[in-house]
Amino acid sequence: AQSVTQLDSHVSVSEGTPVLLRCNYSSSYSPSLFWYVQHPNKGLQLLLKYTSAATLVKGINGFEAEFKKSETSFHLTKPSAHMSDAAEYFCVVTSGVDTGRRALTFGSGTRLQVQP
Amino acid sequence: DAMVIQNPRYQVTQFGKPVTLSCSQTLNHNVMYWYQQKSSQAPKLLFHYYDKDFNNEADTPDNFQSRRPNTSFCFLDIRSPGLGDAAMYLCATSSGRGLQYFGPGTRLLVL
Repeated sequence: AQSVTQLDSHVSVSEGTPVLLRCNYSSSYSPSLFWYVQHPNKGLQLLLKYTSAATLVKGINGFEAEFKKSETSFHLTKPSAHMSDAAEYFCVVTSGVDTGRRALTFGSGTRLQVQP
Repeated sequence: DAMVIQNPRYQVTQFGKPVTLSCSQTLNHNVMYWYQQKSSQAPKLLFHYYDKDFNNEADTPDNFQSRRPNTSFCFLDIRSPGLGDAAMYLCATSSGRGLQYFGPGTRLLVL
């Protein structure tokens, strides 16, 4: 069994300040973890992924996330927010042996607002 | 160089009138998925194809069907849309290593 908890449904930051979106997961097996971003009326775009290599993962648009097994966390950060970062962010986990049939488990999403 | 293409982007149908949503991919991935996403919610998996092997989620209504005539194309058929079926429908593909690539979605409106 696997699950994802995004600890904040809404986060509001000022442009140029750091962003922190929190995610905790549970998984029976070694997990693969992803962050996806969704702009209004758009599909999901992959920001970054963790698949058991380096624990600090760098993604697109200056985002990064750190896999902390002891804390079962995979928080998303960015040093300086930009107005274009305003969107919905989903933390996603998948795990299991049969990679071809893996289901993704989505968190409930965090809406990021960026104030000018 | 779009990789997962969904048509149309917006679809309006009438209550009870069958509708088909289309997804195609240029990635040659063997797994294709259909998700339903309602407003302010996370995507919910409806079903997926592993090659030609169809896998339905337990709670997917019978009203929803899918076809995959070849590797590149997958269709979502809603036999009798109700007002509650209005949502964004997302198609995704995977090579089977966990990472999924999503299309831009089709927003369905039911009148």
